[in-house]
Amino acid sequence: DVKVTQSSRYLVKRTGEKVFLECVQDMDHENMFWYRQDPGLGLRLIYFSYDVKMKEKGDIPEGYSVSREKKERFSLILESASTNQTSMYLCASRTIRTGDRGYTFGSGTRLTVV
Amino acid sequence: QKEVEQNSGPLSVPEGAIASLNCTYSDRGSQSFFWYRQYSGKSPELIMSIYSNGDKEDGRFTAQLNKASQYVSLLIRDSQPSDSATYLCAVIYNQGGKLIFGQGTELSVKP
Repeated sequence: DVKVTQSSRYLVKRTGEKVFLECVQDMDHENMFWYRQDPGLGLRLIYFSYDVKMKEKGDIPEGYSVSREKKERFSLILESASTNQTSMYLCASRTIRTGDRGYTFGSGTRLTVV
Repeated sequence: QKEVEQNSGPLSVPEGAIASLNCTYSDRGSQSFFWYRQYSGKSPELIMSIYSNGDKEDGRFTAQLNKASQYVSLLIRDSQPSDSATYLCAVIYNQGGKLIFGQGTELSVKP
C-alpha cells in the first residue's frame, strides 16, 4: 500500500514564525497536494505539484508556499504564521500511471497558531 | 466555479439498514468520481472510485453514477455502527486536474 507520511501529528507555533510541514510518499507518485480542512468549509486545496520541481497554486495559496526538490517530498511553508492558519493540514499523493486515479492522504497535521 | 454538493446530514439509519448518500456536481466535463470515508480526527480514506455510468460494487458498498443527471451516489448495505463517519464525495474534472470535494455527509448508524 502507498504510504503518505506527514512529519508531525500536532504542532503549536507562535504568530509570525516560519513553519514547515513535511510530507513524504513512498510509491513514486507524480502528483502531490496540500489541503487544509476546517469545520463548515470542507477540504480546500492550497498548492499542488504535478512532478518534481513543479508547483501550481490551488484555491487558497495566500500566506503559503511550497517546495518539491525531490519526487517523494512535498513541503508546505507558512511564511509568517497567523492565527487564521490554525487548521488541519492534509497531504495527498496520486499516480497517473494506473487506471485508478484516487488520492491517498497522509494522517494529517493539526496546526495551532497562538 | 466548479461545485460538488452533498447534504451535510446528519443521516441516521438503524443497524442493518441501507444507507444512501447522494452527491451532485456542476460540470459535465467531470471524468472521475470518488467516495472517501473520514472518521472524526482522522484523514480521508478512499473507499470507492467510479469512472463510467452505472453501478460499481465492492463488498457492502455500491457506487452509482449517472452522468446525464450529474449525480453520483453511495449505498451502504447492512450498515454497521463502525460505518458511522463523514462521507466525502469528490470529483476530478479532467485528466490532470485537481480533486474537488463536497462538504461531506455525516452518517450515524444506531445499534
